[in-house]
Amino acid sequence: EAGVTQSPTHLIKTRGQQVTLRCSPISGHTSVYWYQQALGLGLQFLLWYDEGEERNRGNFPPRFSGRQFPNYSSELNVNALELEDSALYLCASSSGTGVNEKLFFGSGTQLSVL
Amino acid sequence: QQQVKQSPQSLIVQKGGISIINCAYENTAFDYFPWYQQFPGKGPALLIAIRPDVSEKKEGRFTISFNKSAKQFSLHIMDSQPGDSATYFCAASRGGATNKLIFGTGTLLAVQP
Repeated sequence: EAGVTQSPTHLIKTRGQQVTLRCSPISGHTSVYWYQQALGLGLQFLLWYDEGEERNRGNFPPRFSGRQFPNYSSELNVNALELEDSALYLCASSSGTGVNEKLFFGSGTQLSVL
Repeated sequence: QQQVKQSPQSLIVQKGGISIINCAYENTAFDYFPWYQQFPGKGPALLIAIRPDVSEKKEGRFTISFNKSAKQFSLHIMDSQPGDSATYFCAASRGGATNKLIFGTGTLLAVQP
């Protein structure tokens, strides 16, 4: 069974540009989560999508947005890139949000903003 | 109150030694405490988790110790091996909900041969 897949693996952008990151969850998983992993800051929650709807977002500015498609894949969009957006962006999926559910992470997209 | 504080930031242990990573939380409503392991170039993967109805959970060489009164929990890796070298994240949530996990800042563990 394929795990969570993310693309691209690496990306280099300049300040002010826009970027789109993609995520395909494990087959059968309806919930997709996006996290930002910046150096020394751990995993910061960005967005949660379930059944095509945004269910929750973390403490990030509106230039971070995304969507979930009918096949449950997801995109994360970041507009007006800033230097501090340089980080590993991780996507995770789960089949639900209940007590016994687990998060499965992809390998991430490493974004460098110059 | 939503933070999970993790220490140390980095740790070097000799092969065969015990690795200990600590986490502390403030929110007494947290009732699910997982640990994730992340190898370079990979995403984090669930390693072991505990709920506050027990004070310890062991899976192989990995043990979580939980102190509810102190609001602390720790990961112990017995007989540490070079293959355990990775970044470890603690996390906490209410009701075991995956959509409400709060992660610590991570500990980079290096096990020297």
